[in-house]
Amino acid sequence: DTAVSQTPKYLVTQMGNDKSIKCEQNLGHDTMYWYKQDSKKFLKIMFSYNNKELIINETVPNRFSPKSPDKAHLNLHINSLELGDSAVYFCASSPSMNTGELFFGEGSRLTVL
Amino acid sequence: DQQVKQNSPSLSVQEGRISILNCDYTNSMFDYFLWYKKYPAEGPTFLISISSIKDKNEDGRFTVFLNKSAKHLSLHIVPSQPGDSAVYFCAASGRSGGSNYKLTFGKGTLLTVNP
Repeated sequence: DTAVSQTPKYLVTQMGNDKSIKCEQNLGHDTMYWYKQDSKKFLKIMFSYNNKELIINETVPNRFSPKSPDKAHLNLHINSLELGDSAVYFCASSPSMNTGELFFGEGSRLTVL
Repeated sequence: DQQVKQNSPSLSVQEGRISILNCDYTNSMFDYFLWYKKYPAEGPTFLISISSIKDKNEDGRFTVFLNKSAKHLSLHIVPSQPGDSAVYFCAASGRSGGSNYKLTFGKGTLLTVNP
């Protein structure tokens, strides 16, 4: 039973399309995150939500819109996909905002053609 | 601007020997440091952390050392095992204006432990 699960694991799409990645955690955690690992391998935070409330928005383009319907879910919707959006997107959760010990999902590899 | 640097992209070690992974940081506001391990096709998993009030933290075969004056930390794995072969990410955080932990990651070091 996966603790943090993301779907889909792989996504190949054309420029200009809109796509979503879903994330669910069954750990009972209050805080969820989206991280992006680009071609240079850096893991960079995009968003953080605590109990469905946006806490961190790390200067991500408006084309990226996170949505947290409840504290167990944090979905990422991307509009008008660009080539530079190609990356691995990791969802993560933590018991609270007050810890750096995150539980990551397996990642979703997005390829924009 | 790389605030967390892992200058060695890869490291190869013999089974049973010590693995030393290094990490440097530039932001003096960082006060909490972590190491994550990542296997292929999996997400990173938390390994060990250290607060800036300490200079050493040990958990089984894993020890993290922090040298604040040099802005340097290292992860020691003793003895190294083939199952330790993975990418190791160093991460740092500072509490700026609140209790939110925003982690800044390095690029990772690929550790290969040879049987």
